Amino acid sequence: EIVMTQSPATLSVSLGEKATLSCRASQNVASDLAWFQQRPGQAPRLLMYDASTRATGIPARFSGSGSGTEFTLTISRLQSEDIAVYYCQQYNDWPPYSFGQGTKLEIK
Amino acid sequence: EVQLVQSGAAVKKPGESLKISCKASGYDFPIYWIGWVRQMPGKGLEWMGIIYPGDGDTRYSPSFQGQVTMSADTSISTAYLQWSSLKASDTAMYYCARHMGLSRRGAFEIWGQGTMVSVSS
Repeated sequence: EIVMTQSPATLSVSLGEKATLSCRASQNVASDLAWFQQRPGQAPRLLMYDASTRATGIPARFSGSGSGTEFTLTISRLQSEDIAVYYCQQYNDWPPYSFGQGTKLEIK
Repeated sequence: EVQLVQSGAAVKKPGESLKISCKASGYDFPIYWIGWVRQMPGKGLEWMGIIYPGDGDTRYSPSFQGQVTMSADTSISTAYLQWSSLKASDTAMYYCARHMGLSRRGAFEIWGQGTMVSVSS
């Protein structure tokens, strides 16, 4: 089973600043990596897939990079509606298509 | 509009059975993989398993194999998740979600609103 590890657990960033979230896979997942945003009380929402492709309707301030075992989600200019928990998920090898434990993004 | 609508919250006692549903609309139900994700209170997302409605092919996470059963009824475009004997530790929010593309390898693009299951004596 592939283990996904996200860091940091909590990230504090000022509005308008850049946020950088990391995700590491325990083995090579190529580019089969997605990022999700979960706001309080809501279902998760797909942000990125194939490591660097934005899902429909996702603002350009969100970008993804990486391949293999190291991945990054960057939010270029943090807005208040970006406050959420962010999860990465690999879909290269199953079962399961494992999720990371999440990074909570909060305002500094 | 592509949509997944889940059944309402359930309150059960340990040992009882339960079947929750996820009704799909707006797309060709049989040809997209649908999965289930557990979120225990205050915790992260856990991939439970996935089903291909067209032929019933089902893959479970080892953590959930034997604990739940996934099924689908293509005649009414509905996927199901069921338990034969609930435990208190099954208390969680359960989401259904549809894969983005037709491949078994893909991200969950469309999500249901979630079904809260509470198990307590």
